[in-house]
Amino acid sequence: RKEVEQDPGPFNVPEGATVAFNCTYSNSASQSFFWYRQDCRKEPKLLMSVYSSGNEDGRFTAQLNRASQYISLLIRDSKLSDSATYLCVVNNNNNDMRFGAGTRLTVKP
Amino acid sequence: DVKVTQSSRYLVKRTGEKVFLECVQDMDHENMFWYRQDPGLGLRLIYFSYDVKMKEKGDIPEGYSVSREKKERFSLILESASTNQTSMYLCASSLAGQGYEQYFGPGTRLTVT
Repeated sequence: RKEVEQDPGPFNVPEGATVAFNCTYSNSASQSFFWYRQDCRKEPKLLMSVYSSGNEDGRFTAQLNRASQYISLLIRDSKLSDSATYLCVVNNNNNDMRFGAGTRLTVKP
Repeated sequence: DVKVTQSSRYLVKRTGEKVFLECVQDMDHENMFWYRQDPGLGLRLIYFSYDVKMKEKGDIPEGYSVSREKKERFSLILESASTNQTSMYLCASSLAGQGYEQYFGPGTRLTVT
């Protein structure tokens, strides 16, 4: 079983839609959590960190449920520019970052 | 603005060749990492380094070695390239400590024929 599991998608949504991605992790000792975004043929870049209390950055909301070992990312009012692969990332300790395989999103006009 | 650069975007090598992939970061980061990314498998850690001349094995170190002689430079070496090492190789760097963002280079697409 993979340590970080994501639905690979693809998710194809119209502009303006709300879309949610889920991620589960297996290590209950994991300490910090992130969502990265990777555009086609580009490197991953940090989208946002995920805090226990949940956090929001504009149209993006991330939530963490430690009891269920579950992380989510909600994108409201999708834009064409949101089309990318979204990587769920879990940090177990200082140098041990575990990446999910990614969920691909395509936003269509 | 953090910059991580990799020596090549695309590389084609023959089976058995020795391959060097270079990575340089300009933000004085302590940590540097080498990953490979394959479809459906995500990023897998090959090696990381937390200081000059220090290295730790990641999940898939077999067939690879690394070198960190200077803080800003981290090299990945394929001693004898094989076709199953065809992949996208990504270098990253970060500050030391818990939960810091990793900054990635643009990647090297290596094809071994």
